[in-house]
Amino acid sequence: GQQLNQSPQSMFIQEGEDVSMNCTSSSIFNTWLWYKQDPGEGPVLLIALYKAGELTSNGRLTAQFGITRKDSFLNISASIPSDVGIYFCAGHSGSARQLTFGSGTQLTVLP
Amino acid sequence: DVKVTQSSRYLVKRTGEKVFLECVQDMDHENMFWYRQDPGLGLRLIYFSYDVKMKEKGDIPEGYSVSREKKERFSLILESASTNQTSMYLCASSLSGGYLRYEQYFGPGTRLTVT
Repeated sequence: GQQLNQSPQSMFIQEGEDVSMNCTSSSIFNTWLWYKQDPGEGPVLLIALYKAGELTSNGRLTAQFGITRKDSFLNISASIPSDVGIYFCAGHSGSARQLTFGSGTQLTVLP
Repeated sequence: DVKVTQSSRYLVKRTGEKVFLECVQDMDHENMFWYRQDPGLGLRLIYFSYDVKMKEKGDIPEGYSVSREKKERFSLILESASTNQTSMYLCASSLSGGYLRYEQYFGPGTRLTVT
Protein backbone atom coordinates (compact mmCIF):
# COMPACT_ATOMS: atom_id res chain seq x y z
CA GLY A 1 0.00 0.00 0.00
CA GLN A 2 0.93 3.64 -0.05
CA GLN A 3 3.28 4.96 2.57
CA LEU A 4 3.92 8.32 4.10
CA ASN A 5 7.34 9.17 5.49
CA GLN A 6 6.99 11.51 8.41
CA SER A 7 9.97 13.22 9.98
CA PRO A 8 11.40 13.69 12.43
CA GLN A 9 10.23 10.73 14.50
CA SER A 10 10.72 12.72 17.69
CA MET A 11 11.65 16.23 18.75
CA PHE A 12 12.75 17.76 22.01
CA ILE A 13 12.44 21.53 22.04
CA GLN A 14 12.51 24.38 24.52
CA GLU A 15 9.31 26.20 25.35
CA GLY A 16 8.96 29.21 23.07
CA GLU A 17 10.80 27.66 20.13
CA ASP A 18 9.27 27.12 16.72
CA VAL A 19 8.77 23.58 15.41
CA SER A 20 8.74 22.17 11.89
CA MET A 21 7.83 18.69 10.74
CA ASN A 22 7.01 17.21 7.37
CA CYS A 23 5.49 14.34 5.53
CA THR A 24 6.48 12.99 2.13
CA SER A 25 4.95 10.49 -0.25
CA SER A 26 6.20 8.69 -3.32
CA SER A 27 2.90 9.36 -5.06
CA ILE A 28 0.75 12.41 -5.62
CA PHE A 29 -1.83 13.20 -2.96
CA ASN A 30 -4.90 15.39 -3.41
CA THR A 31 -5.61 15.84 0.29
CA TRP A 32 -3.38 16.35 3.31
CA LEU A 33 -4.52 16.36 6.93
CA TRP A 34 -2.68 17.00 10.18
CA TYR A 35 -3.78 15.49 13.49
CA LYS A 36 -2.55 15.76 17.07
CA GLN A 37 -2.86 12.94 19.58
CA ASP A 38 -2.51 13.57 23.30
CA PRO A 39 -1.35 10.66 25.46
CA GLY A 40 -4.14 8.13 25.92
CA GLU A 41 -6.54 9.99 23.64
CA GLY A 42 -7.70 9.77 20.04
CA PRO A 43 -6.25 11.98 17.28
CA VAL A 44 -7.78 15.43 16.89
CA LEU A 45 -7.97 17.04 13.46
CA LEU A 46 -5.89 20.24 13.32
CA ILE A 47 -5.77 21.31 9.68
CA ALA A 48 -7.03 20.01 6.33
CA LEU A 49 -5.44 20.98 3.00
CA TYR A 50 -6.96 20.44 -0.43
CA LYS A 51 -4.96 22.47 -2.97
CA ALA A 52 -1.32 22.34 -3.99
CA GLY A 53 0.49 25.34 -2.51
CA GLU A 54 -2.28 25.99 0.02
CA LEU A 55 -1.14 27.49 3.31
CA THR A 56 -3.59 27.25 6.20
CA SER A 57 -3.30 28.39 9.81
CA ASN A 58 -5.02 27.34 12.98
CA GLY A 59 -3.81 29.57 15.80
CA ARG A 60 -0.07 29.01 16.21
CA LEU A 61 -0.15 26.12 13.74
CA THR A 62 0.46 26.55 10.03
CA ALA A 63 0.38 23.77 7.46
CA GLN A 64 1.26 23.77 3.79
CA PHE A 65 0.32 21.51 0.90
CA GLY A 66 3.55 21.12 -1.10
CA ILE A 67 3.48 22.29 -4.70
CA THR A 68 4.71 18.91 -5.92
CA ARG A 69 1.66 17.39 -4.18
CA LYS A 70 3.99 14.81 -2.66
CA ASP A 71 4.63 16.53 0.63
CA SER A 72 3.17 18.61 3.40
CA PHE A 73 4.63 20.63 6.26
CA LEU A 74 3.42 21.60 9.71
CA ASN A 75 4.89 24.46 11.69
CA ILE A 76 4.16 25.36 15.30
CA SER A 77 5.25 28.77 16.46
CA ALA A 78 6.21 29.72 20.01
CA SER A 79 5.67 26.26 21.45
CA ILE A 80 4.00 25.82 24.84
CA PRO A 81 3.83 22.79 27.18
CA SER A 82 0.38 21.74 25.96
CA ASP A 83 1.80 21.24 22.45
CA VAL A 84 3.26 17.96 23.72
CA GLY A 85 1.87 14.96 21.89
CA ILE A 86 2.13 13.00 18.69
CA TYR A 87 1.48 14.78 15.41
CA PHE A 88 0.27 12.68 12.51
CA CYS A 89 -0.02 13.53 8.87
CA ALA A 90 -2.58 11.76 6.71
CA GLY A 91 -3.19 11.92 3.01
CA HIS A 92 -5.42 10.69 0.26
CA SER A 93 -4.61 10.01 -3.35
CA GLY A 94 -7.10 9.35 -6.09
CA SER A 95 -6.22 5.68 -6.31
CA ALA A 96 -6.61 4.88 -2.64
CA ARG A 97 -9.78 3.75 -0.93
CA GLN A 98 -9.04 5.53 2.31
CA LEU A 99 -6.57 7.75 4.12
CA THR A 100 -2.93 6.82 4.56
CA PHE A 101 -1.37 7.86 7.87
CA GLY A 102 2.20 8.77 8.69
CA SER A 103 3.93 7.15 11.65
CA GLY A 104 3.84 10.32 13.72
CA THR A 105 6.23 12.85 15.24
CA GLN A 106 6.50 12.74 19.02
CA LEU A 107 6.93 16.29 20.31
CA THR A 108 8.30 17.04 23.77
CA VAL A 109 8.40 20.63 25.00
CA LEU A 110 10.91 21.30 27.75
CA PRO A 111 10.24 24.12 30.23
CA ASP B 1 -18.60 19.79 17.63
CA VAL B 2 -18.45 16.24 16.36
CA LYS B 3 -18.54 13.77 19.16
CA VAL B 4 -17.41 10.19 18.75
CA THR B 5 -17.66 8.04 21.84
CA GLN B 6 -16.35 4.57 22.50
CA SER B 7 -17.89 2.24 25.05
CA SER B 8 -14.77 1.56 27.08
CA ARG B 9 -11.46 3.34 27.59
CA TYR B 10 -9.74 0.26 28.97
CA LEU B 11 -10.62 -3.40 28.55
CA VAL B 12 -8.92 -6.59 29.70
CA LYS B 13 -10.04 -9.86 28.16
CA ARG B 14 -8.84 -13.43 28.15
CA THR B 15 -7.64 -15.34 25.10
CA GLY B 16 -10.56 -16.92 23.28
CA GLU B 17 -13.19 -14.53 24.58
CA LYS B 18 -15.57 -12.77 22.23
CA VAL B 19 -15.06 -9.02 22.50
CA PHE B 20 -17.37 -6.20 21.45
CA LEU B 21 -16.13 -2.65 20.99
CA GLU B 22 -18.86 -0.09 20.47
CA CYS B 23 -18.63 3.30 18.80
CA VAL B 24 -21.30 5.98 18.58
CA GLN B 25 -21.19 9.30 16.72
CA ASP B 26 -23.70 12.10 17.11
CA MET B 27 -23.18 14.09 13.90
CA ASP B 28 -25.15 12.03 11.42
CA HIS B 29 -21.98 10.95 9.60
CA GLU B 30 -22.40 8.36 6.89
CA ASN B 31 -18.87 6.94 7.09
CA MET B 32 -17.46 5.12 10.09
CA PHE B 33 -14.08 3.46 10.57
CA TRP B 34 -12.22 1.16 12.93
CA TYR B 35 -8.43 1.41 13.27
CA ARG B 36 -5.88 -0.17 15.50
CA GLN B 37 -2.81 1.72 16.63
CA ASP B 38 0.42 0.03 17.60
CA PRO B 39 3.81 1.57 18.40
CA GLY B 40 5.92 1.86 15.28
CA LEU B 41 3.09 0.75 13.01
CA GLY B 42 0.88 3.82 13.10
CA LEU B 43 -2.85 3.63 12.39
CA ARG B 44 -4.04 0.65 10.41
CA LEU B 45 -7.55 0.40 9.01
CA ILE B 46 -9.48 -2.70 10.04
CA TYR B 47 -12.95 -2.12 8.58
CA PHE B 48 -15.07 0.77 7.41
CA SER B 49 -18.70 1.36 6.58
CA TYR B 50 -20.32 3.77 4.15
CA ASP B 51 -23.88 3.21 5.26
CA VAL B 52 -26.09 1.17 7.52
CA LYS B 53 -25.55 -2.56 7.03
CA MET B 54 -22.67 -1.89 4.64
CA LYS B 55 -19.09 -2.80 5.47
CA GLU B 56 -15.81 -3.04 3.66
CA LYS B 57 -12.53 -4.62 4.66
CA GLY B 58 -9.62 -2.39 5.39
CA ASP B 59 -5.96 -3.35 5.42
CA ILE B 60 -6.03 -5.81 8.34
CA PRO B 61 -9.51 -7.37 8.70
CA GLU B 62 -8.37 -10.85 9.72
CA GLY B 63 -9.69 -11.86 13.13
CA TYR B 64 -12.26 -9.06 13.20
CA SER B 65 -15.83 -8.48 12.10
CA VAL B 66 -18.10 -5.44 12.27
CA SER B 67 -21.74 -4.57 12.55
CA ARG B 68 -23.61 -1.42 11.58
CA GLU B 69 -27.30 -1.75 12.31
CA LYS B 70 -27.88 1.96 12.94
CA LYS B 71 -26.28 4.96 11.27
CA GLU B 72 -24.78 6.31 14.47
CA ARG B 73 -23.34 3.05 15.78
CA PHE B 74 -20.47 0.91 14.49
CA SER B 75 -19.35 -2.16 16.41
CA LEU B 76 -16.07 -4.04 16.14
CA ILE B 77 -16.13 -7.70 17.12
CA LEU B 78 -13.22 -9.92 17.98
CA GLU B 79 -14.69 -13.38 17.56
CA SER B 80 -11.96 -15.11 19.57
CA ALA B 81 -9.52 -12.68 21.11
CA SER B 82 -5.84 -13.44 20.85
CA THR B 83 -2.83 -11.82 22.50
CA ASN B 84 -1.70 -10.29 19.21
CA GLN B 85 -4.91 -8.24 19.24
CA THR B 86 -3.72 -6.34 22.28
CA SER B 87 -3.74 -2.78 20.98
CA MET B 88 -5.33 0.66 21.04
CA TYR B 89 -8.55 0.64 18.98
CA LEU B 90 -9.77 3.88 17.48
CA CYS B 91 -13.15 4.59 15.94
CA ALA B 92 -13.64 7.48 13.51
CA SER B 93 -16.43 8.98 11.44
CA SER B 94 -16.79 11.39 8.53
CA LEU B 95 -19.33 12.83 6.17
CA SER B 96 -19.68 11.21 2.78
CA GLY B 97 -19.72 14.13 0.38
CA GLY B 98 -16.95 16.07 -1.34
CA TYR B 99 -13.71 16.87 0.42
CA LEU B 100 -15.30 16.54 3.84
CA ARG B 101 -15.33 12.77 3.52
CA TYR B 102 -11.56 12.83 4.20
CA GLU B 103 -11.92 14.71 7.48
CA GLN B 104 -12.19 11.89 9.95
CA TYR B 105 -13.08 12.57 13.57
CA PHE B 106 -11.81 10.13 16.13
CA GLY B 107 -13.09 8.79 19.41
CA PRO B 108 -10.90 8.63 22.54
CA GLY B 109 -9.84 5.05 21.89
CA THR B 110 -10.16 1.74 23.71
CA ARG B 111 -6.99 0.20 25.04
CA LEU B 112 -7.57 -3.55 24.86
CA THR B 113 -5.34 -6.03 26.61
CA VAL B 114 -5.76 -9.72 25.86
CA THR B 115 -4.13 -12.03 28.41
